[in-house]
Amino acid sequence: NAGVTQTPKFQVLKTGQSMTLQCAQDMNHEYMSWYRQDPGMGLRLIHYSVGAGITDQGEVPNGYNVSRSTTEDFPLRLLSAAPSQTSVYFCASSYRISGANVLTFGAGSRLTVL
Amino acid sequence: AQTVTQSQPEMSVQEAETVTLSCTYDTSESNYYLFWYKQPPSRQMILVIRQEAYKQQNATENRFSVNFQKAAKSFSLKISDSQLGDTAMYFCAFMKVTGGGADGLTFGKGTHLIIQP
Repeated sequence: NAGVTQTPKFQVLKTGQSMTLQCAQDMNHEYMSWYRQDPGMGLRLIHYSVGAGITDQGEVPNGYNVSRSTTEDFPLRLLSAAPSQTSVYFCASSYRISGANVLTFGAGSRLTVL
Repeated sequence: AQTVTQSQPEMSVQEAETVTLSCTYDTSESNYYLFWYKQPPSRQMILVIRQEAYKQQNATENRFSVNFQKAAKSFSLKISDSQLGDTAMYFCAFMKVTGGGADGLTFGKGTHLIIQP
């Protein structure tokens, strides 16, 4: 199993450009989520999905869009990139163990916005 | 909203020593889970240990154990017989349990642990 696959691993954008960070999982997990990690900070939740066709906002959703058309894929879209969105982005998916969602993380995508 | 505080930005110990990483949290929830994640230089997030709030017994995974003090809202991680491979950022995280299953994590800012040879 590949687990959670994120692409690209690195990306440089100019302010105002748009792009999509891809996330795919092959574990049939219902729950998928996106986090961002900034220096000196822990990970912060951007958006999440509890199943195909269902998405909701996390702690820092502004500037990001998501959709969930299949169980496997959960892309994160930046419509007009800003320097404040320079960060490392993690996708995570989960199943339930004893009532808790135990997250499996992707390897991260480092995004730089100039 | 929940908050998670890790008061030690960086710690350094000698190989084979025991080290304890501190974590406190604030919540009004009664049903929740606590986690410690490890992030080595590879950037991969790795689950170290998990604790259910309703369990009084402290979780243990090989050389890793926790001291969970629910009343004090404290959740420290003890690493015994530390190894060079334990060098990493360690994040404490909180997850409330909701009926719908949409349980996102709230992370602390992390502790950079360095194991010296």
